[in-house]
Amino acid sequence: QAVVTQEPSLTVSPGGTVTLTCGSSTGAVTSGHYPYWFQQKPGQGPRTLIYETNNKHSWTPARFSGSLLGGKAALTLSGAQPDDEAEYYCLLFYNGDEVFGGGTKLTVL
Amino acid sequence: EVQLVESGGDLVQPGGSLRLSCAASGFTFSTSWMTWVRQAPGKGLEWVANINKDGSEKYYVDSVKGRFTISRDNAKNSVSLQMNSLRGEDTAVYYCWGYWGHWGQGTLVTVSS
Repeated sequence: QAVVTQEPSLTVSPGGTVTLTCGSSTGAVTSGHYPYWFQQKPGQGPRTLIYETNNKHSWTPARFSGSLLGGKAALTLSGAQPDDEAEYYCLLFYNGDEVFGGGTKLTVL
Repeated sequence: EVQLVESGGDLVQPGGSLRLSCAASGFTFSTSWMTWVRQAPGKGLEWVANINKDGSEKYYVDSVKGRFTISRDNAKNSVSLQMNSLRGEDTAVYYCWGYWGHWGQGTLVTVSS
């Protein structure tokens, strides 16, 4: 099964912008991998921020956006807030199989 | 309101079996693939299995193939995960998710003697 890679950790200043990426061992990530992005805070379950590359749920803060960037899926946070400190996971689909990235621990400092 | 509610988690001995269930409401269940995901203590999310809308396609992570079986009942709006030959490394919180990213609250499975 494929391997999905994410930055292990990133730091962003309050009010700053940061981009998290999600790469695939099989090559470029495309919309056909239906990228999802999830946020998980300590002691809580995952929450979906972005589905199918760039679609937001009603609960997704406007400061989060999804895209494809340089052969990877990307999650951009513009105007970071302390409440955004969390683990972020991406998920890609491979002809039925689903593969999570290892997660990015985002620190807002 | 979309809701997914898992049940069935428990403490079980190695080699034992357990059946997890996920009850769905608030959406047309038969239109959604459904997935089981797990998270071992202190670890990341791991996809376990998924099933297509009518149950005719099922996919599994290599580590559970031959031991776990996913199924669904569209009449009862539920998806299940039958887990056999359980091992210590199966210890995790198990979540179901579907319908463009709605998650349940999770159910804890502990495999230990």
